[in-house]
Amino acid sequence: AQSVTQLDSQVPVFEEAPVELRCNYSSSVSVYLFWYVQYPNQGLQLLLKYLSGSTLVKGINGFEAEFNKSQTSFHLRKPSVHISDTAEYFCAVSQGTSYGKLTFGQGTILTVHP
Amino acid sequence: GAVVSQHPSRVICKSGTSVKIECRSLDFQATTMFWYRQFPKKSLMLMATSNEGSKATYEQGVEKDKFLINHASLTLSTLTVTSAHPEDSSFYICSAPRDTLSYNEQFFGPGTRLTVL
Repeated sequence: AQSVTQLDSQVPVFEEAPVELRCNYSSSVSVYLFWYVQYPNQGLQLLLKYLSGSTLVKGINGFEAEFNKSQTSFHLRKPSVHISDTAEYFCAVSQGTSYGKLTFGQGTILTVHP
Repeated sequence: GAVVSQHPSRVICKSGTSVKIECRSLDFQATTMFWYRQFPKKSLMLMATSNEGSKATYEQGVEKDKFLINHASLTLSTLTVTSAHPEDSSFYICSAPRDTLSYNEQFFGPGTRLTVL
């Protein structure tokens, strides 16, 4: 079985500050890793994904994440946030044999203050 | 990019009634769709995998007789909450992979908020 833990339920930051949203996972087999963003009253939008290859993954809106196999982490970062980044962020994992079944973390609410 | 729609976006019903939620892939065919449930301030939990032309596969703990799934065509899956009760109130979200080569690239619908009175 696989599981995902997002270590922070809420992260408040000021505009133009850097941010890191933490995600750890557990799995006995190789996994694929994802970050999704959910704006109020909207569906989930894919920010970035790690399937294979380079462990540093760049996504949309200036976000990036680094896959660390030894620490089983996939933390999301952005060097300078905007007010519009205020949303809930979900880390998710799937196994290669799970044919798309995603296991989600609890979510982190990022609030960017002016 | 691929678009997945859901209808209705919000529904309020009385306890004991049944509610049908539709999930459509608008610009691609989806032989597989997934149904998730999101509780307030909680994460998404996979309920079932909807398979076109065959029975849905339910996750452990999900009542198949209560949450009926029908994947009648390559672009439509429906979730029917039968004899709904207040504890069924939740946010239901569907997703679909664009093709069988990219199962891990999911496109999510905007969700349906169900409130059972």
